[in-house]
Amino acid sequence: DTAVSQTPKYLVTQMGNDKSIKCEQNLGHDTMYWYKQDSKKFLKIMFSYNNKELIINETVPNRFSPKSPDKAHLNLHINSLELGDSAVYFCASSPLGGGHSYEQYFGPGTRLTVT
Amino acid sequence: LAKTTQPISMDSYEGQEVNITCSHNNIATNDYITWYQQFPSQGPRFIIQGYKTKVTNEVASLFIPADRKSSTLSLPRVSLSDTAVYYCLVGDPFGNEKLTFGTGTRLTIIP
Repeated sequence: DTAVSQTPKYLVTQMGNDKSIKCEQNLGHDTMYWYKQDSKKFLKIMFSYNNKELIINETVPNRFSPKSPDKAHLNLHINSLELGDSAVYFCASSPLGGGHSYEQYFGPGTRLTVT
Repeated sequence: LAKTTQPISMDSYEGQEVNITCSHNNIATNDYITWYQQFPSQGPRFIIQGYKTKVTNEVASLFIPADRKSSTLSLPRVSLSDTAVYYCLVGDPFGNEKLTFGTGTRLTIIP
């Protein structure tokens, strides 16, 4: 069974469109994250959600919005897509506290290409 | 956040032990050291975490000297499948401090 899954794996779309990436974890973790890895391979955190509350919100454009319908899901909505949004987006999850918040489990990634 | 410095790349032959060193001169008292591995087209994978001295699991060992200003990830008898990027991260896992990934070390195993 896949621990952290993302859909779609690949997403090609045009500038100005609105798209969503879905993430699900079946590990029972309380915290979920979204990361962006650009073409230079730098991996940067975008959001962190704990018990359906946003606890970390890096300085990302407000065109990006995380949505968590329940503890097992954290979806990423992107409005008015721009060329610079092209990257690989990773979802991750981790147990709450107990010294495990640095032990994160990552999904396979979604490669977003904006044309 | 403690800044980390790692070699950009390393090469090693199959069957050898590989040691990747990470410098973190301004590590704080509550900070732990965590290593991740990332294969091409995959998400990072947690390898090992430690606070001081030595930690060993089925995949690797982590050596941390007494001053904790550096750490060394040791991979025993590497194989071609160990070719990946290895990230060293330093921070307080008991807080809400975010994981900060650096450039990592690109390890290439040569047959």
